[in-house]
Amino acid sequence: QPVLTQSSSASASLGSSVKLICTLSSGHSSYIIAWHQQRPGKAPRYLMKLEGSGSYNKGSGVPDRFSGSSSGADRSLTISNLQSEDEADYYCETWDTNTRVFGGGTKLTVL
Amino acid sequence: QVQLVQSGTEVKKPGASVKVSCKASGYTFTSYYVHWVRQPPGQGLEWMAMINFNSGVTTYAQNFQGRVTMTRDTSTSTVYMDLTSLRSEDTAVYYCARSGPAVDSWGQGTLVTVSS
Repeated sequence: QPVLTQSSSASASLGSSVKLICTLSSGHSSYIIAWHQQRPGKAPRYLMKLEGSGSYNKGSGVPDRFSGSSSGADRSLTISNLQSEDEADYYCETWDTNTRVFGGGTKLTVL
Repeated sequence: QVQLVQSGTEVKKPGASVKVSCKASGYTFTSYYVHWVRQPPGQGLEWMAMINFNSGVTTYAQNFQGRVTMTRDTSTSTVYMDLTSLRSEDTAVYYCARSGPAVDSWGQGTLVTVSS
């Protein structure tokens, strides 16, 4: 089954941009993933579905500041013009026929 | 709009069972899967189980095989998760989520505390 690897933490300044990366395990580099945001004390929120081609589809109400891209086994979430409310945990998710997998999450701090 | 509304907080003793519900509304239920995902305090998300709402076919994560049962009631558009033989490590927030194919909606979460 696929494994998703994320850095445990990231930080960037208010108003800047940050790129969070989720890496698919060997043999699974073509898989589609999804990104989710989880603010402190809240349920996760779906952000987007991201394909290996780099094509992405965002959820309803997700700001234009959020975008996705792909390179090989890497699936990236870029947040531009960082706001204080972007400080959250970000999880990637993928799936196979009989399983669903989440990455360990990246804790984003907005400085 | 899509809504997944879960049942309330539970406190259980070790060895007991818990049943958490998730009522869906705002979409065509038979076109999607529903999942249970849990999150222990301070930790990440862990997938537990899924059900094809149309057929009722379930799939369980290996870590929970034999302890978790997922069912659905099509008349009330409600999905249930039954977890048995509870231990302290099962203390977590339990989320239901809809997928088709990515998870694109989440319930508000149900805190289950296992303590003697």
